[in-house]
Amino acid sequence: GQQLNQSPQSMFIQEGEDVSMNCTSSSIFNTWLWYKQDPGEGPVLLIALYKAGELTSNGRLTAQFGITRKDSFLNISASIPSDVGIYFCAGLRTSGTYKYIFGTGTRLKVLA
Amino acid sequence: EAQVTQNPRYLITVTGKKLTVTCSQNMNHEYMSWYRQDPGLGLRQIYYSMNVEVTDKGDVPEGYKVSRKEKRNFPLILESPSPNQTSLYFCASSKTVWETQYFGPGTRLLVL
Repeated sequence: GQQLNQSPQSMFIQEGEDVSMNCTSSSIFNTWLWYKQDPGEGPVLLIALYKAGELTSNGRLTAQFGITRKDSFLNISASIPSDVGIYFCAGLRTSGTYKYIFGTGTRLKVLA
Repeated sequence: EAQVTQNPRYLITVTGKKLTVTCSQNMNHEYMSWYRQDPGLGLRQIYYSMNVEVTDKGDVPEGYKVSRKEKRNFPLILESPSPNQTSLYFCASSKTVWETQYFGPGTRLLVL
């Protein structure tokens, strides 16, 4: 099955630094989402994007829906230790089906 | 408390022994879904259900069955489990396919 290409796979950053991660696809999506998964838990939705070019913020998080509808970016500003976790992008396919396709994840570790 | 529950949380079984993982939500959600999560592969959708009348395959449905006889429950059935179905399984629900998905706590399955 298809998966989204997410990068980087993992990253170590210092507390207070900004973080960027992205997600690309060979096909178009009408909805992009970003989730965070803490150890031992299910993913939790951070940001949902519904229109090409849309830029949306949620506190220190900012995400953008690419103009081509084939990519999305997530930025975290001034990272803190509780930002540790795995971040997943996901796209919703709605042409003849209603499937969610997830990226492979970016594992973030924050050094205090 | 609004939640998605899964049972069991942990299961060890042997090849070929039929098993069912239950999923229940108390939020009156229409859309329900099953995912498996494997290291390096992120989450992959197994089956989804738009509502009680509509169920369809996700990206990796082989070896799995589901049923949606009532809105709140969406069990995942493995008729003849094999070792390659060893994984972490998540159930999720949302009001509609376009709205926020809420994930259950996960079921860790080991097939020997």
